[in-house]
Amino acid sequence: EVQLVESGGGLVKPGGSPRLSCAASGFIFSSYNMNWVRQAPGKGLEWVSSISSSSSHIYYADSVKGRFTISRDNAKNSLYLQMNNLRAEDTAVYYCARDLFKSWYDVWGKGTTVTVSS
Amino acid sequence: SYVLTQPPSESVAPGQTARITCGGNNIGSQSVHWYQQKPGQAPVLVVFDDSDRPSGIPERFSGSNSGNTATLTISRVEAGDEADYYCQVWDSSSDHGVFGTGTKVTVL
Repeated sequence: EVQLVESGGGLVKPGGSPRLSCAASGFIFSSYNMNWVRQAPGKGLEWVSSISSSSSHIYYADSVKGRFTISRDNAKNSLYLQMNNLRAEDTAVYYCARDLFKSWYDVWGKGTTVTVSS
Repeated sequence: SYVLTQPPSESVAPGQTARITCGGNNIGSQSVHWYQQKPGQAPVLVVFDDSDRPSGIPERFSGSNSGNTATLTISRVEAGDEADYYCQVWDSSSDHGVFGTGTKVTVL
């Protein structure tokens, strides 16, 4: 079964630096582009970052550029999001999703919740 | 940055047709994808590349894209179609993913 499972969320203080993980299974992870998408409480979907299959192309939303770092380990079938200098407006459910590169997101994880509060 | 605008809500009676629009500058020149999201769940892809359906998605879901508007059409609406729907493109000019503002579909 194709599956993505996020972890690493929780309650974080402003300025904190959690790292989210996404474990992939059931498909050839190294063949796919991967993404992070977030959804603030009661709000719409917001694309956060994308990384190509070989990590050669990386893109960030303006709202997180310079604070978040996306990475992947194809040997471990895992995607990561290092989040630094968190703000209240980063509070959201964070989803990982796969695509073939600059296309549609056909598989999504269930998400992990990050709450930024003192 | 590229903006995709959707109506906040759409109400439709069971058995009728729902049409959800997604407006963007010259969106007809881009590939548009649509997602359904039910409360507390992750989004699910329902249409990709303007009008193609993933396996397992009913034929009742269809899409079109031309000019400045893309449209998701849900025919013969069922109670289970009640959800939020989002359009999405990859904006090549900025190399950013972009989601529409979302439309809440209510089945009367």
